[in-house]
Amino acid sequence: AQSVAQPEDQVNVAEGNPLTVKCTYSVSGNPYLFWYVQYPNRGLQFLLKYITGDNLVKGSYGFEAEFNKSQTSFHLKKPSALVSDSALYFCAVRDQAGTALIFGKGTTLSVSS
Amino acid sequence: GAVVSQHPSRVICKSGTSVKIECRSLDFQATTMFWYRQFPKKSLMLMATSNEGSKATYEQGVEKDKFLINHASLTLSTLTVTSAHPEDSSFYICSASFGQGGGYTFGSGTRLTVV
Repeated sequence: AQSVAQPEDQVNVAEGNPLTVKCTYSVSGNPYLFWYVQYPNRGLQFLLKYITGDNLVKGSYGFEAEFNKSQTSFHLKKPSALVSDSALYFCAVRDQAGTALIFGKGTTLSVSS
Repeated sequence: GAVVSQHPSRVICKSGTSVKIECRSLDFQATTMFWYRQFPKKSLMLMATSNEGSKATYEQGVEKDKFLINHASLTLSTLTVTSAHPEDSSFYICSASFGQGGGYTFGSGTRLTVV
């Protein structure tokens, strides 16, 4: 069975500092990995995905993530955090085309000014 | 492209009544749609997978008779919460996969409050 772990409930960072939101995964086949962001009472906004190819994936709003197969990780990063980045972030995985995404529990990112 | 429209965004209903939530794909054909439930500040829990023209596949622990899913066309899937109870209050989100590149799009969610 596939699963995703986000070990941190909350990440706090000062504006302008780099941020990292951690994610590890477990799948039986090749992983398809995703990051989404959610603002209060809203749906999910796509940030980036890894299907195949380069391990470093660049996404929306200056975010990027690095796929590490040996560590089964897909951490989300941004070089310089903004206060507006404060939101709930979800890592998700699927192992077969057309199947549903399985989500991690989410990490609340709080960026202070 | 690949937009999913979900309605209503908010609904308040009385205990014992039924509520229907619609999810429409606006610019693509959604053969498969997914329904999730989200508790406050919690992850999205997959409830069921609906395939156009066939019965939905429910996840373990999800009551099929309470959460009725219909996917009668390639652009519309509905979730009906029957005989709603306060514990059914939650945020419900639909999703669809699209394209060859493994993309997913999500509705904006429905906040259901049962009083």
